[in-house]
Amino acid sequence: AQRVTQPEKLLSVFKGAPVELKCNYSYSGSPELFWYVQYSRQRLQLLLRHISRESIKGFTADLNKGETSFHLKKPFAQEEDSAMYYCPSLSAGAGSYQLTFGKGTKLSVIP
Amino acid sequence: GAVVSQHPSRVICKSGTSVKIECRSLDFQATTMFWYRQFPKQSLMLMATSNEGSKATYEQGVEKDKFLINHASLTLSTLTVTSAHPEDSSFYICSAPGETNYEQYFGPGTRLTVT
Repeated sequence: AQRVTQPEKLLSVFKGAPVELKCNYSYSGSPELFWYVQYSRQRLQLLLRHISRESIKGFTADLNKGETSFHLKKPFAQEEDSAMYYCPSLSAGAGSYQLTFGKGTKLSVIP
Repeated sequence: GAVVSQHPSRVICKSGTSVKIECRSLDFQATTMFWYRQFPKQSLMLMATSNEGSKATYEQGVEKDKFLINHASLTLSTLTVTSAHPEDSSFYICSAPGETNYEQYFGPGTRLTVT
């Protein structure tokens, strides 16, 4: 089964500074990795998934198999990026795929 | 995009009573729905997988008799917290998988407070 860890509980950056939210995984096969975001008083929503290789809200995440990482990056942080970010792992449950969430990282962008 | 709703958004009940929380997929059908619990400033913990037409699958450590799940139709799953106690106070969130089965759409959550 896949396992992911987010080593940082809290990350504070200044507006305009680059931001990198770390996610490390351990899985022997082909991992299925995602980034979900939860803005204050809003529901959890999908931000990125690794197979799409797209940029959403300026964020990108590249799967690095050598480092077993899926870090979320943005070159210039904005105040509206302040939120909780989760890098859940995907596993096959009873007839469905389940997401298992770690502790997440709270991003605080300082104006 | 797909929308998942929950009702109520918040509920306060007395210790010993039961509370039902509804989770609906508004514009798509969901044979599977997931129920999570989130404590303040903590991550989501998967409680159970709700399956339409069959019994729910509970995660280890979750009491099935305490948290009754009924997936009555392809658009509705309910979670009933029976004989609620103050320690059951939490934020309960449901989700349903999208077309890809990998992406999940989350409800806004239900804040349960047991007094």
